[in-house]
Amino acid sequence: DTAVSQTPKYLVTQMGNDKSIKCEQNLGHDTMYWYKQDSKKFLKIMFSYNNKELIINETVPNRFSPKSPDKAHLNLHINSLELGDSAVYFCASSQDLGPGGNTQYFGPGTRLTVL
Amino acid sequence: EDQVTQSPEALRLQEGESSSLNCSYTVSGLRGLFWYRQDPGKGPEFLFTLYSAGEEKEKERLKATLTKKESFLHITAPKPEDSATYLCAASGGSYIPTFGRGTSLIVHP
Repeated sequence: DTAVSQTPKYLVTQMGNDKSIKCEQNLGHDTMYWYKQDSKKFLKIMFSYNNKELIINETVPNRFSPKSPDKAHLNLHINSLELGDSAVYFCASSQDLGPGGNTQYFGPGTRLTVL
Repeated sequence: EDQVTQSPEALRLQEGESSSLNCSYTVSGLRGLFWYRQDPGKGPEFLFTLYSAGEEKEKERLKATLTKKESFLHITAPKPEDSATYLCAASGGSYIPTFGRGTSLIVHP
C-alpha cells in the first residue's frame, strides 16, 4: 500500500501554461506539506495544511495555490509557469504538528520541467 | 531562524569502512531531529526521529545520536546498497522541519 502518492510523476510543459499536481495520503494524518527540491537537492518548504487549514505559506509566488479538499488530499496548482519553476516537488504528511507527531513521510515526487 | 548544516557534502567509503555523517543545528526549542535517506529519483525515506540530547536509535548498520548542538549518523561496515543521500532536518517551536543540504554517500564494493 502506498502511503503518500503523487500524480503525475513527470510533468513537461511550456512556459505560461497552468498545471496541477495531486497528492493523497492513506496514513490518516492530519497535516500535509508541499516541498520544492532544487537541482542541488535542497528541500524547501512551500506550504503546510493542518486539518484542511493553511498554516504555513512560505515566500512562494502567488502563482502557486494549494488546495485541500479533505485531510487526505493536498493538491498544488501552478499558474503561468516559468523556467525557474522547474524542480522536483514533494508532498509529505505527518500525524499532526504536536510533540512526537511531526515526523514526515514523503511521496515519490513530481519532476516538473518547464520549457 | 532555524538552521541545519550537514557535513561532509560528499563521502566515499570502501565497503566495510565505518564512518559518521554530521548534522549541526540551530533551532529554538528542539521539537525533533530527523534523518532521512533519499535514493536518486525517489522521495526521502524516513529513518529516525530523535527528541532529546543523549538519545540514540539504531537500525541495521545505522545509528543516530543527538547532542544539544549536533547529530551524528554512524554507519558501521557499510555496504554498496547504503549508497544514497542522507538528509537531516530539525524542527523548533513551529514543529515544521528545516532541512540540511544532505550528504551524498557512495560505498564502493
